[in-house]
Amino acid sequence: AQSVTQLGSHVSVSEGALVLLRCNYSSSVPPYLFWYVQYPNQGLQLLLKYTSAATLVKGINGFEAEFKKSETSFHLTKPSAHMSDAAEYFCAVTISGGYNKLIFGAGTRLAVHP
Amino acid sequence: GAVVSQHPSWVICKSGTSVKIECRSLDFQATTMFWYRQFPKQSLMLMATSNEGSKATYEQGVEKDKFLINHASLTLSTLTVTSAHPEDSSFYICSAAGGTSAYNEQFFGPGTRLTVL
Repeated sequence: AQSVTQLGSHVSVSEGALVLLRCNYSSSVPPYLFWYVQYPNQGLQLLLKYTSAATLVKGINGFEAEFKKSETSFHLTKPSAHMSDAAEYFCAVTISGGYNKLIFGAGTRLAVHP
Repeated sequence: GAVVSQHPSWVICKSGTSVKIECRSLDFQATTMFWYRQFPKQSLMLMATSNEGSKATYEQGVEKDKFLINHASLTLSTLTVTSAHPEDSSFYICSAAGGTSAYNEQFFGPGTRLTVL
């Protein structure tokens, strides 16, 4: 079975600082991994995805994530935080072979202060 | 990317009434749709998976008679909350997969806020 753990339910950074949101996964087979962002009262927007190609994945809005099999991690980073990055971020995992259900982490709320 | 819409975006109803939420894939054919609920400050919890023309598969603990799901076409799935009660108040989000999706990618709707008085 697959699972996802997001370390840190709340992360606070200053505008312009590095953003690091942590995600560790558990999967008995090669996983597909996703990061989504959710703004208040809205659905989820895909930031980026890992689908067994390049281990360093670049997404929208300057975010990127690196798949590290040895560490079972898929941490999300952004070099310089912007006020508009304040939102809820979810890491999710699924496996290949059809449209299998996504398993979501608990989420990390990112706050960006001036 | 593919677009998924939900209607209504918010609804308020009295306890005991039924509420129907629509989920539409606007520019692709969705062979599979998923329904989630999200409580405040919590993650998404999968309620059920529906494939076009088939009965929905419900997750453990989700009452199929209370949350009726219909996926009659490749562009529309509906979730009906029957005899709604205040504890059913939540944010309901659908997602759809199909068309040109190649990597199990689900496209999410904007969500529906249900408040039961």
